Amino acid sequence: AQRVTQPEKLLSVFKGAPVELKCNYSYSGSPELFWYVQYSRQRLQLLLRHISRESIKGFTADLNKGETSFHLKKPVAQEEDSAMYYCALTGYSGGYQKVTFGTGTKLQVIP
Amino acid sequence: DTGVSQNPRHKITKRGQNVTFRCDPISEHNRLYWYRQTLGQGPEFLTYFQNEAQLEKSRLLSDRFSAERPKGSFSTLEIQRTEQGDSAMYLCASSAGLVGQPQHFGDGTRLSIL
Repeated sequence: AQRVTQPEKLLSVFKGAPVELKCNYSYSGSPELFWYVQYSRQRLQLLLRHISRESIKGFTADLNKGETSFHLKKPVAQEEDSAMYYCALTGYSGGYQKVTFGTGTKLQVIP
Repeated sequence: DTGVSQNPRHKITKRGQNVTFRCDPISEHNRLYWYRQTLGQGPEFLTYFQNEAQLEKSRLLSDRFSAERPKGSFSTLEIQRTEQGDSAMYLCASSAGLVGQPQHFGDGTRLSIL
């Protein structure tokens, strides 16, 4: 069974401090991993995906297969980063797709 | 294209009633997903479609739940004989269906059971 764990429900940091949102996964194959973000009163939207290895809004995430992690990082937090962040894994079983989301981490950037 | 559209935004109904939600995906997307989200939880996968074919259903989808995507375009999710535990946000998402492609979400339908 595939599983995604986000250990922190709430993460509070001061503006300008570094941010790391943790995501660990359990999956026997090669996972597709994503970070989604939900700003206040907005719909869930993609932030970044491991396959593209890009930086979006200053955020990066590296897939570490040895530690089965996909932590989200940003060197300098900004107030507009305050939002709910979800890690998601897409796996395949018998040719069918299954998507598992973590429970989410609320990031609160303190001015 | 305005993105994924869901209707209604809110639905309040009495226990035991049937409800139906609609999702209009991004037009060129062939995959469509349904999720349920309750307070403090991430979206929980319910089912997904590749064009009009329903390919996977979660165990969360009891026999009171049924989803259709008759022409491979919009989809409906029906809940029969609603129960208190069905109260949740129901999210729809669509994707291009290729490896590594992200999902695009709608605003969701919030269901409240009285």
